[in-house]
Amino acid sequence: AQTVTQSQPEMSVQEAETVTLSCTYDTSESDYYLFWYKQPPSRQMILVIRQEAYKQQNATENRFSVNFQKAAKSFSLKISDSQLGDAAMYFCAYRSERYGGATNKLIFGTGTLLAVQP
Amino acid sequence: GAVVSQHPSRVICKSGTSVKIECRSLDFQATTMFWYRQFPKQSLMLMATSNEGSKATYEQGVEKDKFLINHASLTLSTLTVTSAHPEDSSFYICSVGRVDTGELFFGEGSRLTVL
Repeated sequence: AQTVTQSQPEMSVQEAETVTLSCTYDTSESDYYLFWYKQPPSRQMILVIRQEAYKQQNATENRFSVNFQKAAKSFSLKISDSQLGDAAMYFCAYRSERYGGATNKLIFGTGTLLAVQP
Repeated sequence: GAVVSQHPSRVICKSGTSVKIECRSLDFQATTMFWYRQFPKQSLMLMATSNEGSKATYEQGVEKDKFLINHASLTLSTLTVTSAHPEDSSFYICSVGRVDTGELFFGEGSRLTVL
């Protein structure tokens, strides 16, 4: 079975600084997606970034980028120029692309609570 | 605008009553919807996968008679918490996967409080 591990329950960063959130996963599959979701106090889940496992190039979305190390099964999220609005719970998630793609379930990590200090 | 609508956003009920939560896909038809449960400061735990026109697939440890899921149409799935007890108080979130793009969309969530 696949598992997702986030070893940092809480992190803190100064506004305008850079922070990296860690995520490791375990799977025997070769075809999958990895995601980072943000959950602010409103509890609405917001997709931050996603990475297809077959792509070697790391995904980037504006101030957000990932360091995807497939062999090490590591998928960290880097937030540059941190803003107060980045404060939230961040979840790393895995989805198999076997057979069903978007109809497959997401497996979430335990989350990292990010605080941004002004 | 929202792609997935979840209703109600908040519900308070007495112990022993049943509560129904709806999840609607507004922009596309969905053969599969997912129901998650989230306790305070914890992660999302998948409860079940809702399949249109067939029985839901429940995760291990989730009581299917307690959490009834009905996916009667391609745009609507419902979760009914039967004979609710205070320990069922939680945040319930649905999500819908779009097959053609691979995107996943989440509802706004429903906070259930059982007194």
